[in-house]
Amino acid sequence: DTAVSQTPKYLVTQMGNDKSIKCEQNLGHDTMYWYKQDSKKFLKIMFSYNNKELIINETVPNRFSPKSPDKAHLNLHINSLELGDSAVYFCASSQGWNQPQHFGDGTRLSIL
Amino acid sequence: EDQVTQSPEALRLQEGESSSLNCSYTVSGLRGLFWYRQDPGKGPEFLFTLYSAGEEKEKERLKATLTKKESFLHITAPKPEDSATYLCAVQAGSAGGGNKLTFGTGTQLKVEL
Repeated sequence: DTAVSQTPKYLVTQMGNDKSIKCEQNLGHDTMYWYKQDSKKFLKIMFSYNNKELIINETVPNRFSPKSPDKAHLNLHINSLELGDSAVYFCASSQGWNQPQHFGDGTRLSIL
Repeated sequence: EDQVTQSPEALRLQEGESSSLNCSYTVSGLRGLFWYRQDPGKGPEFLFTLYSAGEEKEKERLKATLTKKESFLHITAPKPEDSATYLCAVQAGSAGGGNKLTFGTGTQLKVEL
């Protein structure tokens, strides 16, 4: 049973396209996150949702738009993809604001 | 701004050779310090949370400790399966600020036979 699952695992696309990444957690957690891991393996938070409400929105281009249809899902839509968007995107979830976050296995996005 | 620095960047050990990884942090109001393990092609896997200076946590060959400025991850008699990147992250601020984690860049550990 996968606790935090992301789809797709790999995403290869052209510059200028629009794409979405989906995330689902079956842990019953109330908070979900999106992180970006760059080529140097540095993990940086992008967004956080608690009970479908946006609570963290770091300095991220507005081409990135998260959407949480319910507590178990947090999707990430990216418009007008750029070369610099190439990275691994991780979804995570936690129960409560200072509890450990559990991560999915990431979506590797490559922009051609 | 919260900062986390991990050292060394990479560490090569022989099986059974104990060592420690360091995580130095600068935050205003530490709420928690988290250790994760990340294997290639996988997401970070949670290991420990430490909340206050003096606290220690253990799991198999790993032991995490916390002071007011840094945390150590001690690895006793490591095995090849302990090879991974170990990430440290801090959470600071108030409950209303959300659960933002600031990560270090990790220590890449390789344990050889």
